[in-house]
Amino acid sequence: AQRVTQPEKLLSVFKGAPVELKCNYSYSGSPELFWYVQYSRQRLQLLLRHISRESIKGFTADLNKGETSFHLKKPFAQEEDSAMYYCATPRGKTSYDKVIFGPGTSLSVIP
Amino acid sequence: GAVVSQHPSWVICKSGTSVKIECRSLDFQATTMFWYRQFPKQSLMLMATSNEGSKATYEQGVEKDKFLINHASLTLSTLTVTSAHPEDSSFYICSARVLGAGYNEQFFGPGTRLTVL
Repeated sequence: AQRVTQPEKLLSVFKGAPVELKCNYSYSGSPELFWYVQYSRQRLQLLLRHISRESIKGFTADLNKGETSFHLKKPFAQEEDSAMYYCATPRGKTSYDKVIFGPGTSLSVIP
Repeated sequence: GAVVSQHPSWVICKSGTSVKIECRSLDFQATTMFWYRQFPKQSLMLMATSNEGSKATYEQGVEKDKFLINHASLTLSTLTVTSAHPEDSSFYICSARVLGAGYNEQFFGPGTRLTVL
């Protein structure tokens, strides 16, 4: 089964500084990976998925098969980016398998 | 976008009572809904997969007789916590997968906070 890890529970950066939220996965094939975000008192929402290679709210994530990573990056952090971020992947090999979540990283952007 | 609602948003009950939580997809049909549990400052833990018209599939360690799931229609799944105890207090979140989507995307409800006294 696939698994994702997020080594940082907490991450604090200053406003305007670059931010990188780490995610590593365990799967030797071509994984399907997502980043979800949960703002304070709001529901979980999809931020981006690697297959679409889109940029949402200035965030991007590149799949690095060599390092089995899917780190989330933003060049200039904003205060409104403060939230919980979860890396996620289908547990099995098919894209319709149930999605499992990493432990999450709490991002705090300091004004 | 697709909207998922949950009712109630919070509930307080006495130990030993049963609590029902509803999850509805408001503007789309969902053959599959998922139920998660989230403890404070922790990640979402998948409890079960709810399939319309069939029995739910429970994750390892989740008591199916404790957490009854019914998915009676393409827009409604219910989770009933039977004989609730304080250790069942948690944030319960449902999600719905879009029918016919070419990829795996789930839309999440706002969650239900259950407090068992």
